Amino acid sequence: TQLLEQSPQFLSIQEGENLTVYCNSSSVFSSLQWYRQEPGEGPVLLVTVVTGGEVKKLKRLTFQFGDARKDSSLHITAAQPGDTGLYLCAGVRFRNDMRFGAGTRLTVKP
Amino acid sequence: NAGVTQTPKFRVLKTGQSMTLLCAQDMNHEYMYWYRQDPGMGLRLIHYSVGEGTTAKGEVPDGYNVSRLKKQNFLLGLESAAPSQTSVYFCASTIGTGRLDQPQHFGDGTRLSIL
Repeated sequence: TQLLEQSPQFLSIQEGENLTVYCNSSSVFSSLQWYRQEPGEGPVLLVTVVTGGEVKKLKRLTFQFGDARKDSSLHITAAQPGDTGLYLCAGVRFRNDMRFGAGTRLTVKP
Repeated sequence: NAGVTQTPKFRVLKTGQSMTLLCAQDMNHEYMYWYRQDPGMGLRLIHYSVGEGTTAKGEVPDGYNVSRLKKQNFLLGLESAAPSQTSVYFCASTIGTGRLDQPQHFGDGTRLSIL
């Protein structure tokens, strides 16, 4: 059982559509990060959220940290083929305890 | 801008063989980590180091050993490889100032197959 459950596992959409992926847990995290990973490469950090209820925007990507700091969501507006990749959330419980979710594999078709 | 470099990129071993994976970072980071990534399971922490000469166990340490003799290098060893250790291994590093929002910088991974 994963400490962080990500849903959906797979998502295939057309260019221009909106989408939301979720990262849920029963544990409380001091911070939560979202990474994107492309084939053959390591994950690359997109954003870190540290305050319950926090919302961060990165161009067409909107990240939200739940009020109770147990969950997070990533919303992409008007998805583009360049958004294709594996999206991973990672929660920090204490300094050196970071747990990753299994990821959501997103495919955006042109 | 090399960042985090992992060597080798691919390796095939026979059960029972030993090998060492090398991770090198040129960012003067204090903390370094070894993860394994398996389908449907995400990244799981094997061992980590908070500074030169220190190591600690992560979530799945059994069957692996590590060493951090130099600040820039973190070695992951498999003494007697088993098929269950077939995976993609990632090394990462962070500044290590204690801030909660510091990013982990990852290498491009080592794909290891144990036959």
